[in-house]
Amino acid sequence: QKEVEQNSGPLSVPEGAIASLNCTYSDRGSQSFFWYRQYSGKSPELIMSIYSNGDKEDGRFTAQLNKASQYVSLLIRDSQPSDSATYLCAVDMGSNYKLTFGKGTLLTVNP
Amino acid sequence: GAVVSQHPSWVICKSGTSVKIECRSLDFQATTMFWYRQFPKQSLMLMATSNEGSKATYEQGVEKDKFLINHASLTLSTLTVTSAHPEDSSFYICSARVGGSSNQPQHFGDGTRLSIL
Repeated sequence: QKEVEQNSGPLSVPEGAIASLNCTYSDRGSQSFFWYRQYSGKSPELIMSIYSNGDKEDGRFTAQLNKASQYVSLLIRDSQPSDSATYLCAVDMGSNYKLTFGKGTLLTVNP
Repeated sequence: GAVVSQHPSWVICKSGTSVKIECRSLDFQATTMFWYRQFPKQSLMLMATSNEGSKATYEQGVEKDKFLINHASLTLSTLTVTSAHPEDSSFYICSARVGGSSNQPQHFGDGTRLSIL
């Protein structure tokens, strides 16, 4: 069964720190990877997409992909209380463009 | 860009009522749309994949006769919860993706909170 695993947390970091969120996936042939942020009671919002090994930076966010290790991560620099949310890792495993979601990591940034 | 509009945001209705939820891609054509359900403090659960002009593909365990999906155009998909009961109360979210490339992400609507009394 194709799976995406995330640590459910909660992950608690102080304001201004770096938050590191991790995700592993089971399908070695996966090509597209996405990070979504979901505030409580709201729908998911796309933060980052990554398709190639290495790092991809967008503002305070950096996505990292290692296909050999089947591992994708999201770093949030200078974390803010407004970053407090559940972060969902999603992987396109090649089945009619469906995304397989992890269960999400709850991040809390403390002022 | 890539805005997905979902309507209504909230629905409260009596048991036995049928409820229709609309999902529209406002600034792009969506060849594929997806319908999810999310219970409190749980992860997203994919209900079905909707392709324009063809029948939806339902995930295992989802009753196709209860959750009717229509994707009549490249910008509109609808989910109808037929004869809704209290156990159908949930947060329903649609998403859409731009067609033509496997690298396109899904963009989510704001969701519909359904409460069946």
